[in-house]
Amino acid sequence: DAMVIQNPRYQVTQFGKPVTLSCSQTLNHNVMYWYQQKSSQAPKLLFHYYDKDFNNEADTPDNFQSRRPNTSFCFLDIRSPGLGDAAMYLCATSRVKGEETQYFGPGTRLLVL
Amino acid sequence: TQLLEQSPQFLSIQEGENLTVYCNSSSVFSSLQWYRQEPGEGPVLLVTVVTGGEVKKLKRLTFQFGDARKDSSLHITAAQPGDTGLYLCAGAGGGSYIPTFGRGTSLIVHP
Repeated sequence: DAMVIQNPRYQVTQFGKPVTLSCSQTLNHNVMYWYQQKSSQAPKLLFHYYDKDFNNEADTPDNFQSRRPNTSFCFLDIRSPGLGDAAMYLCATSRVKGEETQYFGPGTRLLVL
Repeated sequence: TQLLEQSPQFLSIQEGENLTVYCNSSSVFSSLQWYRQEPGEGPVLLVTVVTGGEVKKLKRLTFQFGDARKDSSLHITAAQPGDTGLYLCAGAGGGSYIPTFGRGTSLIVHP
């Protein structure tokens, strides 16, 4: 089945230790998104890609970076995780630019010790 | 930024009851999506509504898009424990194709 896959599902890191979260999709969708979601809050958009065109939200901290080496894969790098970065990180896709329906992966729960 | 207000924020009901949750904004949306998110999982798309006044049914779930395309509602008939989850609405408009999410309605259905 076509889907959005996130690895790992749970990630534990230490304060200040870089961590990379992965997302892959078999939907062949052009648009990919990274969201941060904290408990009882709405998902907060960090970045999105239209194909390889990178779009950074104005309030996304510099500590967060992203890479999309090809259509299928997208990575979220947190260079120096702080305690406040502990959250669920969601990857999503849309078929093309302008299509608002999104397909989400299961998320990666990040814990910072 | 277009703000989407969802109400109620929390809802705890018994199996078999009916309920309605609301998604409101002062902005006009080209479309609205409803998602259900279970604990520890990503949101799963339930429906997209596009036309003002549109009503869509998905088994016991009925979705309505307001005539002015500024608001939407989700009605669940005879709720079941499997309906438990966070219900999120999302919409894009004003020339942006990036959806904004509401904070969600957290629903618990007790057996």
